Amino acid sequence: GQNIDQPTEMTATEGAIVQINCTYQTSGFNGLFWYQQHAGEAPTFLSYNVLDGLEEKGRFSSFLSRSKGYSYLLLKELQMKDSASYLCAVDILTGGGNKLTFGTGTQLKVEL
Amino acid sequence: DADVTQTPRNRITKTGKRIMLECSQTKGHDRMYWYRQDPGLGLRLIYYSFDVKDINKGEISDGYSVSRQAQAKFSLSLESAIPNQTALYFCATSERTGPDTGELFFGEGSRLTVL
Repeated sequence: GQNIDQPTEMTATEGAIVQINCTYQTSGFNGLFWYQQHAGEAPTFLSYNVLDGLEEKGRFSSFLSRSKGYSYLLLKELQMKDSASYLCAVDILTGGGNKLTFGTGTQLKVEL
Repeated sequence: DADVTQTPRNRITKTGKRIMLECSQTKGHDRMYWYRQDPGLGLRLIYYSFDVKDINKGEISDGYSVSRQAQAKFSLSLESAIPNQTALYFCATSERTGPDTGELFFGEGSRLTVL
């Protein structure tokens, strides 16, 4: 089966940096996604890692270590609008395609 | 207009009723998915389809059925709704050709309440 762990909640200060960790144990691993979800809205894509290392995209960066089953999402220069749930999702190869298995999400609260 | 459209957006029904949630997409993707989201449990996969003739069960398919009427349409049915099927349901599409990573594109969600 699949097992994905991420912290339930985190709090950070506006302008600061926060790192959200995700660990996973899975078979058929084909990459890892991070999504952002505001309350009552659909998840939106943030990043994708398939190889080890850091992917940077503006204020957001994501890191993957396949050998350790570990990823993190780094958010810099936090803004109030970054208050949301951050979902780690493992991409699994299956049959003729792929499917994503999600962690339970990390609720980030950004405070003044 | 949204690329992935779900109807209805909100529905309140009673135990035992048959409910259908519909999803249509204009992205031209072959792969479509139905997830449900519950507080504290995250997104869980109900069914997925890689093309019109391909239907697969996800981790929580009991009590649900699906129909892939066309490449663009994928509907989810609850034959006899029960209260623990109260949740937010998301349809999603993906593709993995060329520059596409296989990321999911989500509809806006359908909030279902079963009384």
